[in-house]
Amino acid sequence: DQQVKQNSPSLSVQEGRISILNCDYTNSMFDYFLWYKKYPAEGPTFLISISSIKDKNEDGRFTVFLNKSAKHLSLHIVPSQPGDSAVYFCAASPAGGGGYQKVTFGIGTKLQVIP
Amino acid sequence: GAVVSQHPSRVICKSGTSVKIECRSLDFQATTMFWYRQFPKQSLMLMATSNEGSKATYEQGVEKDKFLINHASLTLSTLTVTSAHPEDSSFYICSARDFRGFVTDTQYFGPGTRLTVL
Repeated sequence: DQQVKQNSPSLSVQEGRISILNCDYTNSMFDYFLWYKKYPAEGPTFLISISSIKDKNEDGRFTVFLNKSAKHLSLHIVPSQPGDSAVYFCAASPAGGGGYQKVTFGIGTKLQVIP
Repeated sequence: GAVVSQHPSRVICKSGTSVKIECRSLDFQATTMFWYRQFPKQSLMLMATSNEGSKATYEQGVEKDKFLINHASLTLSTLTVTSAHPEDSSFYICSARDFRGFVTDTQYFGPGTRLTVL
């Protein structure tokens, strides 16, 4: 049972345009959401996160939007650059409650930014 | 930034042998380390959570006698795949949590180890 779903395995975008990566989740207990970026032969690196008390979080060219009612989040990259070409993982975890909570990952979306 | 290393990056072994994978946090102390496994076209699946100085907590379906985890220090955790079989061939990746007391502390990932069992 995949609790975090990334339905698009790949995405191609022209340099300078907006990249939109989507993620859906099924577990209503998820309270904290993260995006990781992974280059070949490297481990995933943390990119941006959002708590369920927000609906938007922005960091430079990266913005994550959260729609709790739809159980959907998206990562926007504007403008897209060739160096953004990587696999992007969506991840989610339940609320804290004083201890570390397990993070569940999606399958990843491979983004290719075409120069 | 926080760096996590893994060794080896790639290993090929014969069926029935044991393989040890090391995970090190290079510039921070990691009270908690995680071991994941990723099969082709699947997501990262958490295998176990390793806390320094205590026994690892395994996820459902992961055999603790087969995947031995030791977290002997704040910078080193090891995963030993015992009596490896071809179905254990996978990409094993560790992460370390830079603990600051927040439940949302970021995990820093190692580069992964590609295990191939012949």
